[in-house]
Amino acid sequence: GIQVEQSPPDLILQEGANSTLRCNFSDSVNNLQWFHQNPWGQLINLFYIPSGTKQNGRLSATTVATERYSLLYISSSQTTDSGVYFCAVYSGAGSYQLTFGKGTKLSVIP
Amino acid sequence: NAGVTQTPKFRVLKTGQSMTLLCAQDMNHEYMYWYRQDPGMGLRLIHYSVGEGTTAKGEVPDGYNVSRLKKQNFLLGLESAAPSQTSVYFCASSYPPQKRYGYTFGSGTRLTVV
Repeated sequence: GIQVEQSPPDLILQEGANSTLRCNFSDSVNNLQWFHQNPWGQLINLFYIPSGTKQNGRLSATTVATERYSLLYISSSQTTDSGVYFCAVYSGAGSYQLTFGKGTKLSVIP
Repeated sequence: NAGVTQTPKFRVLKTGQSMTLLCAQDMNHEYMYWYRQDPGMGLRLIHYSVGEGTTAKGEVPDGYNVSRLKKQNFLLGLESAAPSQTSVYFCASSYPPQKRYGYTFGSGTRLTVV
């Protein structure tokens, strides 16, 4: 099946700093989603972005499908951005199932 | 709208006991999923359903059963719990992929099997 690798696995930022999280995938995809899991465990869908660029406030994401990667940008980070960020993909083959990466754990310190 | 609601939020079982986790969604989503999350493993799909009355196996289905008798509900059953099933369980729902919308997750059920 499709493989998803996220980097870095851990990231510590000072409040106000910017960051870039990366997601590489092993096959072409027609569905890619970014999620944030907050410290209380809740998973929130940030972006549905199989290709192109989207922005939502301080967060933006870009997927370059032809080169099999996606980037999540966090600008002016806040302590509430802490948590784990997951990338999940669906290749379009077979049944609709998202395959998740192992996540990037982000800690934003005041 | 409540979105996706999971009950219970926490549960402790003894080895060999059975239980059912309930997932309910009010977004009229056709698809529903059960995932488990273990440290260092990300989320892995247990079972999923593409519509009322249908279910299918995911990546890690052994030891679990599911039912989708109503469109809004998706039940996950453990017939004889084992310590290896200690995990956090998440339910999610979505439209079919051609509608190009993302998943919505419930808040999770933390299960401990002793």
